[in-house]
Amino acid sequence: GAVVSQHPSRVICKSGTSVKIECRSLDFQATTMFWYRQFPKKSLMLMATSNEGSKATYEQGVEKDKFLINHASLTLSTLTVTSAHPEDSSFYICSASPAGRDNQPQHFGDGTRLSIL
Amino acid sequence: GENVEQHPSTLSVQEGDSAVIKCTYSDSASNYFPWYKQELGKGPQLIIDIRSNVGEKKDQRIAVTLNKTAKHFSLHITETQPEDSAVYFCAARPSTNAGKSTFGDGTTLTVKP
Repeated sequence: GAVVSQHPSRVICKSGTSVKIECRSLDFQATTMFWYRQFPKKSLMLMATSNEGSKATYEQGVEKDKFLINHASLTLSTLTVTSAHPEDSSFYICSASPAGRDNQPQHFGDGTRLSIL
Repeated sequence: GENVEQHPSTLSVQEGDSAVIKCTYSDSASNYFPWYKQELGKGPQLIIDIRSNVGEKKDQRIAVTLNKTAKHFSLHITETQPEDSAVYFCAARPSTNAGKSTFGDGTTLTVKP
């Protein structure tokens, strides 16, 4: 089945560091990928929609200069948390659907646990 | 926008019993309804989905029903096993893959051996 690979799975770093998370669709192309944030025991909160070859669309309240998204190819989107602070600590998850046909399932990566000290 | 409500938030059943999780949605434009299982420290995994032109779909011990008129859909797990223990999320989405999914708040299912 369709696989979405997300790296790294876990990051621990000092406050002020920028962290890049990669999301790859391994066996299909995706013109659109989604980035979510999940707090403990909570649902998925959509942060932004990543569009191949164009700017990402951010949800209300999400700082686009804080969470930089690049969707440079049909199989790769990256999320960079710039100058991360402890409040940015969270579980970040990406997802993608195969391009070309509607009603395709959304496949999720295994998430990245980000801990800012 | 779309609003998805999911109940119950927690569900505990005895191994072998059935489990039912219910969701309602508000936007009639939604016509794709997936269910995801999320284990601790992992991303959500699609377990079954249903589209608006179908009322019921079954895959072994898992079934989903959809009532588009009433705007609700349900997940049914029969003969539950301890490995079914996880958090389950329902979602609603328009047909286009670029459309945003709206998730329910999740149900923590515990299957007691």
